[in-house]
Amino acid sequence: EAQVTQNPRYLITVTGKKLTVTCSQNMNHEYMSWYRQDPGLGLRQIYYSMNVEVTDKGDVPEGYKVSRKEKRNFPLILESPSPNQTSLYFCASSLSGLVNTEAFFGQGTRLTVV
Amino acid sequence: GQNIDQPTEMTATEGAIVQINCTYQTSGFNGLFWYQQHAGEAPTFLSYNVLDGLEEKGRFSSFLSRSKGYSYLLLKELQMKDSASYLCAALSNFGNEKLTFGTGTRLTIIP
Repeated sequence: EAQVTQNPRYLITVTGKKLTVTCSQNMNHEYMSWYRQDPGLGLRQIYYSMNVEVTDKGDVPEGYKVSRKEKRNFPLILESPSPNQTSLYFCASSLSGLVNTEAFFGQGTRLTVV
Repeated sequence: GQNIDQPTEMTATEGAIVQINCTYQTSGFNGLFWYQQHAGEAPTFLSYNVLDGLEEKGRFSSFLSRSKGYSYLLLKELQMKDSASYLCAALSNFGNEKLTFGTGTRLTIIP
């Protein structure tokens, strides 16, 4: 089954403790991206990747890192999480860029930083 | 910069028609998406418009006017399962592609 898989689905952590949210897609997609979704603010793009070893900042990259060492995986790294990073995170992928191409979203990761 | 506006909430009756509007201001505009998101779930793709006009897909249609920076999503023969948030998103392309979402319109269908 074609899908985007995020792990974990739920995570509660403490301020400053490094964490990684994994994202994997099995559709051989080139484009992958991370979003956070907060009430009243909608989905905001954190980072995106047009292909392996190519990443770029979205609208809210501060406090996050990503890597794209292989096509299928696009982990999101929070080196030192803070409470303002408490949010619902979505990973998405699309075949090649976004023009005339739908993005497939993972099921989301609900992160709480205390 | 980018700016997307859509109503926060709407209510409609089962079996009726509803139109959800979206206005956008974005540099390097390269298309307008609509996504559906049920509570607690991932967004799912509904439509993409890059040329002016109406695109029909079953009960859902999407319209775009590039000159007015305006789009709408039209839902016909509403069903209870259409209760969801509808997200408008504008794609910009200045070398790198970037998708900017509106805050979403929460649509409630009543019997």
